[in-house]
Amino acid sequence: AQTVTQSQPEMSVQEAETVTLSCTYDTSESDYYLFWYKQPPSRQMILVIRQEAYKQQNATENRFSVNFQKAAKSFSLKISDSQLGDAAMYFCASDGLGSARQLTFGSGTQLTVLP
Amino acid sequence: EAQVTQNPRYLITVTGKKLTVTCSQNMNHEYMSWYRQDPGLGLRQIYYSMNVEVTDKGDVPEGYKVSRKEKRNFPLILESPSPNQTSLYFCASSSDRQGYAPQHFGDGTRLSIL
Repeated sequence: AQTVTQSQPEMSVQEAETVTLSCTYDTSESDYYLFWYKQPPSRQMILVIRQEAYKQQNATENRFSVNFQKAAKSFSLKISDSQLGDAAMYFCASDGLGSARQLTFGSGTQLTVLP
Repeated sequence: EAQVTQNPRYLITVTGKKLTVTCSQNMNHEYMSWYRQDPGLGLRQIYYSMNVEVTDKGDVPEGYKVSRKEKRNFPLILESPSPNQTSLYFCASSSDRQGYAPQHFGDGTRLSIL
């Protein structure tokens, strides 16, 4: 079984500044993937970044990067040079690689970007 | 264009009236799944399918049915909808059953059961 916890229901950041969204998880799987999804007001689910648990190197996608601490089961998302278009709900998710292929989501963090 | 298509996008209906939400993907993906999204709870998996004729329950399957007769389609059926099934529903697909490929999501279906 997997659980994902996002302890920050809401966050705000000034445009051009950096913000970090927190996520902790628990899983009994020996190998797994972690994801951050973005959901703008259009309600689409957009994949932001993905981390493979067996890789020690933190994933990076342009202005988005993660701080993956496997021992602490922590997977935070850092957004650099925040833009107005980054305003959205952000979901952390884990995907165990067992027989029951399942994405388990956190409850989300609503990010507001202030001009 | 690679996509997951859900229909309808919005539906308001009444308790007990059977409804089906369709989901179709054009990427020849083996894996498909349904999620519901409720405020404060994130997305929770309802059912998933590893391939044609292979389906299994997710975390919240009560009150739902699915079928997978063709690879591209994975409809969600509410035989006797109730108000607690009012939610935002997402269909997703992936090329890899083992999790190596990310899931592609449809645009969502907003269901309101009165």
